[in-house]
Amino acid sequence: KAGVTQTPRYLIKTRGQQVTLSCSPISGHRSVSWYQQTPGQGLQFLFEYFSETQRNKGNFPGRFSGRQFSNSRSEMNVSTLELGDSALYLCASSSISGGRETQYFGPGTRLLVL
Amino acid sequence: SQQGEEDPQALSIQEGENATMNCSYKTSINNLQWYRQNSGRGLVHLILIRSNEREKHSGRLRVTLDTSKKSSSLLITASRAADTASYFCATDAIYNSGGSNYKLTFGKGTLLTVNP
Repeated sequence: KAGVTQTPRYLIKTRGQQVTLSCSPISGHRSVSWYQQTPGQGLQFLFEYFSETQRNKGNFPGRFSGRQFSNSRSEMNVSTLELGDSALYLCASSSISGGRETQYFGPGTRLLVL
Repeated sequence: SQQGEEDPQALSIQEGENATMNCSYKTSINNLQWYRQNSGRGLVHLILIRSNEREKHSGRLRVTLDTSKKSSSLLITASRAADTASYFCATDAIYNSGGSNYKLTFGKGTLLTVNP
C-alpha cells in the first residue's frame, strides 16, 4: 500500500496570510490526525478526523482548523499566520480512531512564516 | 505538559554498542508506542506494546513496559550508524472524563547518535 502523503512538502508564507495543507491517508484508513512539531514544544496534537467528523482536538487557537473528505483525505488550514506557526506539520493515519492502534505518519510539511 | 518524558535527552554511543532509552508517563494508558524520526522528517513506527504486555521484541529492538512504575524502555542492540535519529515514546492517554476519546501524546524524544 502507498504510504501517507502530504502536500506541499515546503511552504513559505508571510504573517497574516493563510495556508492550507493536505494529507492523503493510507488506503482504507479512516482516521487522520494532525500534529505540529517545533523545537521548543515538541510534537503537539492538533486534531483528529474520523469519517469526516472531528473526533478530538488539541489546545490550539481557532485559527487552526481542518476537515476531512469522504475519501478520507484531510486538509488543515491556518488563518492569519503568526511567526510562531513556523513548524513541521505532520499528519498520521490509522485504521481506527484515537491512539489505540499504530499511526502511520507522512513526511510532513515544513512551514516557514516570515 | 507532556504525557511521556524520555530519558536521556541525548545519547551518544559507538557502533556495535547497545542503546537504552527510557520513557515515563503520568496517566493510565491502553498502549505505548515508540517512533523514530530522522532529522526533521516523518515519524516511523517502531513498536506498539499494550498495557497487558511486559516485553516485546522486533528485530534488534526490545521494549519493556512497567505499568506499576508508569515507565517503558527501548533497547536497541548492536547499534548501527543508520540508527542515528530521535526516538519518541507516545501514549494513548484518555483525555476526557467519558473515557471514549483518546489521542496520541508524545514525549520530547531522545536524540541518539551512533558514531561509526
